[in-house]
Amino acid sequence: AQTVTQSQPEMSVQEAETVTLSCTYDTSESDYYLFWYKQPPSRQMILVIRQEAYKQQNATENRFSVNFQKAAKSFSLKISDSQLGDAAMYFCAYNRVKLVFGAGTILRVKS
Amino acid sequence: DSGVTQTPKHLITATGQRVTLRCSPRSGDLSVYWYQQSLDQGLQFLIQYYNGEERAKGNILERFSAQQFPDLHSELNLSSLELGDSALYFCASSQLAGGNSPGELFFGEGSRLTVL
Repeated sequence: AQTVTQSQPEMSVQEAETVTLSCTYDTSESDYYLFWYKQPPSRQMILVIRQEAYKQQNATENRFSVNFQKAAKSFSLKISDSQLGDAAMYFCAYNRVKLVFGAGTILRVKS
Repeated sequence: DSGVTQTPKHLITATGQRVTLRCSPRSGDLSVYWYQQSLDQGLQFLIQYYNGEERAKGNILERFSAQQFPDLHSELNLSSLELGDSALYFCASSQLAGGNSPGELFFGEGSRLTVL
């Protein structure tokens, strides 16, 4: 069964600085999707960024980028120029047939 | 706005009772997924339907059941409720069934169930 591991229960970053959230996953499949979702205090699930496993190029969405290492089964999220609004729970997720989530990382942003 | 509608947003009930949560997927989406998020925990996959048929099953309790109707809306039925069933229940939808071309899921705002 596929598993997703987020080893950082909580992270802190100073406003305007950069932070990296870690994620590893376990799968025997070669074709799949990876996602980072953000869950602010409102509890709404918001897609931050997605990566197709067959693409070698790392996905980027404005201040958010990923470091996708397929062989290592690693999928980290980098947030540049952190803003107060980035404070949330971040979930890494793997999708092949069903979307499997990691346990989440709480990101706190200090002003 | 994701386009996925869940009702009710909040529900308070007593142990032993039964409740039904409803989900309307985005227009055109054939797949519906149900997830449970307990306090301070991640999202646990419960079940997926595609065009009316059960597609995948997660750790869904026998006291829970779901179905997807011809108009593609879905209902999650929770019976003989226990205190531990208190959680946020998310519905999500996608166009595809998963498998060959899984993609982004669009989440509703969730239904918060409190069992007293």
